[in-house]
Amino acid sequence: DAMVIQNPRYQVTQFGKPVTLSCSQTLNHNVMYWYQQKSSQAPKLLFHYYDKDFNNEADTPDNFQSRRPNTSFCFLDIRSPGLGDAAMYLCATSRDSNRVGTHPSTNEKLFFGSGTQLSVL
Amino acid sequence: GQSLEQPSEVTAVEGAIVQINCTYQTSGFYGLSWYQQHDGGAPTFLSYNGLDGLEETGRFSSFLSRSDSYGYLLLQELQMKDSASYFCAVREGGFQKLVFGTGTRLLVSP
Repeated sequence: DAMVIQNPRYQVTQFGKPVTLSCSQTLNHNVMYWYQQKSSQAPKLLFHYYDKDFNNEADTPDNFQSRRPNTSFCFLDIRSPGLGDAAMYLCATSRDSNRVGTHPSTNEKLFFGSGTQLSVL
Repeated sequence: GQSLEQPSEVTAVEGAIVQINCTYQTSGFYGLSWYQQHDGGAPTFLSYNGLDGLEETGRFSSFLSRSDSYGYLLLQELQMKDSASYFCAVREGGFQKLVFGTGTRLLVSP
């Protein structure tokens, strides 16, 4: 059973047309992440939430926004997509990495969704 | 800031053993993780080292030396299905975020 679900699997948008990608989780994890991955590159962290606490990476463009209305859902909004924003967008979750009483590897493990491949025309 | 360096590509044959290295520079270190990613798929967690030494999980082992800022992933009895990209990753000290290395593409041939 999928535990981190991303919709849609493929998204096509037009240059400059706002688009929203969605992610949901059934794991009840505190932390949710959005990564951008371009072909043959490593996933690049855009931002993450620790519960409702939003943490933006310094080099994430203002064009990218995120919302987390509750524990289960997180959204990535791209306000004006450019050709350079075409990429795979990966959502991931994890427990609180500082949680005590569990093996460290349990807290460190990220669970990824299957990703949304975004094309910009 | 931090950086994690890996070889870009490694090739091997079925049944062989291969080692994928990772050297890192971080402003705070909370352990080294390894992820596997097949083409078109999402990364999946393989292992984590919080302390120096070797962690073994089936055919895969991971090693960490904090004094050398170095770790490696060891894959034994290689199978064709092991052809994938492998990423090391570190959590930036004190924070929840996980940063990935440059990635190593492993090609296993018959």
